[in-house]
Amino acid sequence: AQSVTQPDIHITVSEGASLELRCNYSYGATPYLFWYVQSPGQGLQLLLKYFSGDTLVQGIKGFEAEFKRSQSSFNLRKPSVHWSDAAEYFCAVVGYNFNKFYFGSGTKLNVKP
Amino acid sequence: DAGVIQSPRHEVTEMGQEVTLRCKPISGHNSLFWYRQTMMRGLELLIYFNNNVPIDDSGMPEDRFSAKMPNASFSTLKIQPSEPRDSAVYFCASSLGPEAFFGQGTRLTVV
Repeated sequence: AQSVTQPDIHITVSEGASLELRCNYSYGATPYLFWYVQSPGQGLQLLLKYFSGDTLVQGIKGFEAEFKRSQSSFNLRKPSVHWSDAAEYFCAVVGYNFNKFYFGSGTKLNVKP
Repeated sequence: DAGVIQSPRHEVTEMGQEVTLRCKPISGHNSLFWYRQTMMRGLELLIYFNNNVPIDDSGMPEDRFSAKMPNASFSTLKIQPSEPRDSAVYFCASSLGPEAFFGQGTRLTVV
């Protein structure tokens, strides 16, 4: 069965520090993978996506993610975090028929000044 | 395009009352999803439609919940009767292909 695991519920980093949010997926075929960000009181905004090709994908707001098939992972990274990055981040996978998105439980990011 | 539009943004209702949440997907999108978000359970897929047809409603919690999509530009999620445990943020999303676009959500409070 398809599933997405985000092992970190909360992460706190200092402003300017690097960030890595973990995501592991379970899917029988090549997945389509996404990272979404949700600010308080807002909907989910797409940060980046991986469909095929280069396994390192760039997104908005300086985020990137790397698809590692051997580890079934799609970790999100940012070299230098800004206070405005404080939000909740969701990893998601969608099946080949594009009809069912599976979301992780989310990781809440807190940024210390 | 204005994106996925949900209404109302906030709804407060009394237990036992009927609640209807509305969603207008992005024009041209052929799939529509209803999600519920709570602190305890995170994001749960309630139901999704493809070309206005309900494909999978296995996430609908019980018979009090129903969803319709009478045409490609409108969908409703109805709760009747509502209960306090239905309090949550309800999101609608639409897609054409593998990327979903989310609305701002409706925050439902049942007192």
